[in-house]
Amino acid sequence: DGGITQSPKYLFRKEGQNVTLSCEQNLNHDAMYWYRQDPGQGLRLIYYSQIVNDFQKGDIAEGYSVSREKKESFPLTVTSAQKNPTAFYLCASSFETGRGNTEAFFGQGTRLTVV
Amino acid sequence: SQQGEEDPQALSIQEGENATMNCSYKTSINNLQWYRQNSGRGLVHLILIRSNEREKHSGRLRVTLDTSKKSSSLLITASRAADTASYFCATDGTTDSWGKLQFGAGTQVVVTP
Repeated sequence: DGGITQSPKYLFRKEGQNVTLSCEQNLNHDAMYWYRQDPGQGLRLIYYSQIVNDFQKGDIAEGYSVSREKKESFPLTVTSAQKNPTAFYLCASSFETGRGNTEAFFGQGTRLTVV
Repeated sequence: SQQGEEDPQALSIQEGENATMNCSYKTSINNLQWYRQNSGRGLVHLILIRSNEREKHSGRLRVTLDTSKKSSSLLITASRAADTASYFCATDGTTDSWGKLQFGAGTQVVVTP
C-alpha cells in the first residue's frame, strides 16, 4: 500500500539522550515535513525538505536535527538540547509542482515522552 | 510564530446545523489547504484552494479565499456527529517561504446528535 509510515508509535526517552524518529514514504513525494503538536495545540513546523540532500529550518528547529539522504526517508533526531521534547510528532509529505505543493499526506504520529 | 490563525477556537453545534470557521494568515501564499484531525491521529486533507481561486466546493464542504484580506473560511453544511474533530488551515508559502507548509492553531468542532 502507498503511504507514509512513522515509527515507533510510542517512544520513551531519558533526559540527556538523543532519539531518532523514523519517517518513510513510498508516494514518490518530493517534499517532506516534520511537525510538533502539543496537547490542544496546532502543528508547529520543525524542519522541511523540498529535495534530497537539502532541508530548511522551520519555526522551532532548535534542539532538533534532520537528514534527507534518500527521497523516501526523512528521519528526525531529538537531541538533548531540546529542553521540552515531550510531544506528538507528525511527519508529512507532498508533491512539489513548481506552482506550490499539493496536498500533504500525514503519518500516524510518534508520541515521545521524556521519563 | 504560526502563519494561520483559526477562529473560533472551539465550536459546538447540533447535527444538521452548519459549521463555519475562519482562518487568517500573514504572508503571500501559493495555496491554502484545510485539514481535519481526529483525536490523537494524523491529519487528513480536505480541500486545497489556489491563490487565484475564490471559492471551492467538495461534497458538504465549501471554502472561500480572500487574498486581499489574507483570510479563508471553511463551511461544513448539514453537520453530522462524525464531523466531530479539529480542523486546521495550512498555507503553502511563496518567495522566501517557498515550500513552507504552516498550520494554524485549529478549531475544535463538536457535533452533538
